[in-house]
Amino acid sequence: EIVLTQSPATLSLSPGERATLSCRASQNIGTSLGWYQQKPGQAPRLLIYEASNRATGIPARFSGSGSGTDFTLTISSLEPEDFAVYFCQQRSNWPPYSFGQGTTLEI
Amino acid sequence: QVQLQESGPGLVKPSQTLSLTCTVSGASISSGSYYWSWIRQPAGKGLEWIGRVHTTGNTNYNPSLKSRVTISLDTSKNQFSLNLISVTAADTAVYFCARTDFYDNWFADWGQGTLATVSS
Repeated sequence: EIVLTQSPATLSLSPGERATLSCRASQNIGTSLGWYQQKPGQAPRLLIYEASNRATGIPARFSGSGSGTDFTLTISSLEPEDFAVYFCQQRSNWPPYSFGQGTTLEI
Repeated sequence: QVQLQESGPGLVKPSQTLSLTCTVSGASISSGSYYWSWIRQPAGKGLEWIGRVHTTGNTNYNPSLKSRVTISLDTSKNQFSLNLISVTAADTAVYFCARTDFYDNWFADWGQGTLATVSS
């Protein structure tokens, strides 16, 4: 099973700042990585797929990069609604599809 | 626009079977274009993919749960279901149903989730 390790566990920033979240895979997964945002009491929402493609309706301030084992989600200028938990997910080697443990982005 | 809604008993006793249903609207589960998955999340923790089903009846399960899980379709009701046998407190979680496209396998559509608690 591919293990995804996210860092940091918690990131404390202010609105308007730039956020950089990391996801590292235990083996090469090419670009088969997605990012999700989850707010309290809600289901996750797909933000980025195939490492760098924004999902439908996702604002341009969200961007993804990386390949192989190291991936990054960048939020260029934080809006108040961006403070949430972010998960990465791989689809390269399954079953199972696996998720990272999450990064909490807090004000 | 597709909508998914989980339902089922919120409380299950240890060693019994957890049964949940996902009702789909705005799309047909008979469409060969999608897979239908279950994912769970213990309180304050990460996400765990449980398994998926396709309209052909083909299923795939997380190896860690495979011996206890069955996912099935009811096309007449446009629903799919999860059965998890021999539950313990470790199975207490919010359970989500979700849809992926047949080819890309990203979880673009989710239900709101339902909490299932295992307790005597």
